[in-house]
Amino acid sequence: AQKITQTQPGMFVQEKEAVTLDCTYDTSDPSYGLFWYKQPSSGEMIFLIYQGSYDQQNATEGRYSLNFQKARKSANLVISASQLGDSAMYFCAMREGGRASGTYKYIFGTGTRLKVLA
Amino acid sequence: GAVVSQHPSWVICKSGTSVKIECRSLDFQATTMFWYRQFPKQSLMLMATSNEGSKATYEQGVEKDKFLINHASLTLSTLTVTSAHPEDSSFYICSAISGFYQETQYFGPGTRLLVL
Repeated sequence: AQKITQTQPGMFVQEKEAVTLDCTYDTSDPSYGLFWYKQPSSGEMIFLIYQGSYDQQNATEGRYSLNFQKARKSANLVISASQLGDSAMYFCAMREGGRASGTYKYIFGTGTRLKVLA
Repeated sequence: GAVVSQHPSWVICKSGTSVKIECRSLDFQATTMFWYRQFPKQSLMLMATSNEGSKATYEQGVEKDKFLINHASLTLSTLTVTSAHPEDSSFYICSAISGFYQETQYFGPGTRLLVL
């Protein structure tokens, strides 16, 4: 079974509008982390935002916010005021384990390609 | 902070040669680094986990004799593709964990390998 699911292979959004990229996850580990990365055509993976499983508030970083619904196991990325430079592939990822256990396992979703229209 | 460099960014080589890719954490110490492979329009495929001072842990199906990983210091891990063949052509990307930054993976810019 997929541990990280991104159901939208592609999305379009008009410039200056907000867009939500979906991500659901599955884990039995009580301590985990959720990440979003942006991969433009150049190939580099750019870290956008992080949400810890014990965090009470949704994470925000500039125009990026993470809509964390723990009971539903979803961690959707919201990009506000879309810009042309936001066009890229976006990956949701989950970390199981961590410093306490000494082991790290990161799982990536299949990605969503976002195209911002002028 | 949390910058990871990767070198080279592009390499073209003849079949049968070996290629070494370096991954460095520039402003933090990384006890754990990861090596991924990415095929066009696909997600990242974890190849191995590299821990400083110990042997790498390879994922199932990844040939450890083919993809040699060395993590000799807290800031450097290397991946050597030995006796490269055209099917090894791919985008290879490394990452390092910054414990300070919420155990986030920070990625290098990647290396595009083309084996002729």
